[in-house]
Amino acid sequence: EPEVTQTPSHQVTQMGQEVILRCVPISNHLYFYWYRQILGQKVEFLVSFYNNEISEKSEIFDDQFSVERPDGSNFTLKIRSTKLEDSAMYFCASNREETQYFGPGTRLLVL
Amino acid sequence: GESVGLHLPTLSVQEGDNSIINCAYSNSASDYFIWYKQESGKGPQFIIDIRSNMDKRQGQRVTVLLNKTVKHLSLQIAATQPGDSAVYFCAEKGADSWGKFQFGAGTQVVVTP
Repeated sequence: EPEVTQTPSHQVTQMGQEVILRCVPISNHLYFYWYRQILGQKVEFLVSFYNNEISEKSEIFDDQFSVERPDGSNFTLKIRSTKLEDSAMYFCASNREETQYFGPGTRLLVL
Repeated sequence: GESVGLHLPTLSVQEGDNSIINCAYSNSASDYFIWYKQESGKGPQFIIDIRSNMDKRQGQRVTVLLNKTVKHLSLQIAATQPGDSAVYFCAEKGADSWGKFQFGAGTQVVVTP
């Protein structure tokens, strides 16, 4: 069964550094998403992406964040200058119809 | 460790019994709902979905009920098994959005032998 994959599974970085989180959505999916989950809290929507542009974004997704689909398979989330409060699990999701399928997540720890 | 953060409501259920997990959603204009299961350290896993033009949908061992009048969603798990132990989230999507889901806080289900 096809799955969304994400790399790395864990990332530790220093405050102020840039990080890039990578996702490979399910191959025939057209819509891509990033969500985050701060430890012990609910999953929060960050951004949706379709046809090589952002469709929707939340208030969390400020100028420090960007997304890109650099080729036909990868979907990336970049955080330009990480802050302590960016520490969270970041989930990528994709869909073709309405049901979104999630990847296993990247645990980001900002020190 | 994993205990930091909000304390989730917990449902403790004996193996073999039925579980009912409830969710109050916020947006009366939401038109699509999903129940997700999340095991520790993993991403949300799709369980079952329902559209706003339905009030009940059944899957394998699971049933979702939707009451739009009171903005309430429930997930029933029949014959709960140890592998059902996880956090369960409801997620809703507004009719004006294609893919922006709002997640609930979650319920921790603990299955005891």
